[in-house]
Amino acid sequence: DAGITQSPRHKVTETGTPVTLRCHQTENHRYMYWYRQDPGHGLRLIHYSYGVKDTDKGEVSDGYSVSRSKTEDFLLTLESATSSQTSVYFCAISEGVTTTGTETQYFGPGTRLLVL
Amino acid sequence: QQPVQSPQAVILREGEDAVINCSSSKALYSVHWYRQKHGEAPVFLMILLKGGEQKGHDKISASFNEKKQQSSLYLTASQLSYSGTYFCGTESVGNQFYFGTGTSLTVIP
Repeated sequence: DAGITQSPRHKVTETGTPVTLRCHQTENHRYMYWYRQDPGHGLRLIHYSYGVKDTDKGEVSDGYSVSRSKTEDFLLTLESATSSQTSVYFCAISEGVTTTGTETQYFGPGTRLLVL
Repeated sequence: QQPVQSPQAVILREGEDAVINCSSSKALYSVHWYRQKHGEAPVFLMILLKGGEQKGHDKISASFNEKKQQSSLYLTASQLSYSGTYFCGTESVGNQFYFGTGTSLTVIP
């Protein structure tokens, strides 16, 4: 199994509070991703990173920010959590994009976030 | 831009076959398939590349029709362990990658 951990694994917070989720990898993969998973919507990309301090938005980036100061860590921050951000958040890593396209993504165990 | 999967859900008895379809409105470079068991993380199954390369995994195989921007996942002689939600992921121009909404597969004895 790819070495990917997420913390915390479960979190309950109140509307309006800031929340930071952490993804840590030991594989030295270049690309890291944050997804949210909601019933009926599958996996939707929030942000991704293609290197230290290099990040870009995904399809559902509003209300989220990310940072990557080290290869192994990718942080997802909800500046002011809302109930619509209640979800399961998955981090994923991949070796990147090659001539044959996006490489395999390996997923972390997920974080269940409940915003009251 | 999110690919469409069909069916949304399917129930099978052990030993039966199933086909899961994934369709995109965009020209595709590759299609990825993942399986997620309840309460767990998605796990990679296979990648299909432009050019028709087909890669199988045990009794699970897939095809990629570039002209129709479609991929199909074939589960043969299903086992209880095949139960889970199957996601396709499609890659199009600019390395844009999107997962589908998923197909729930339940195999019963």
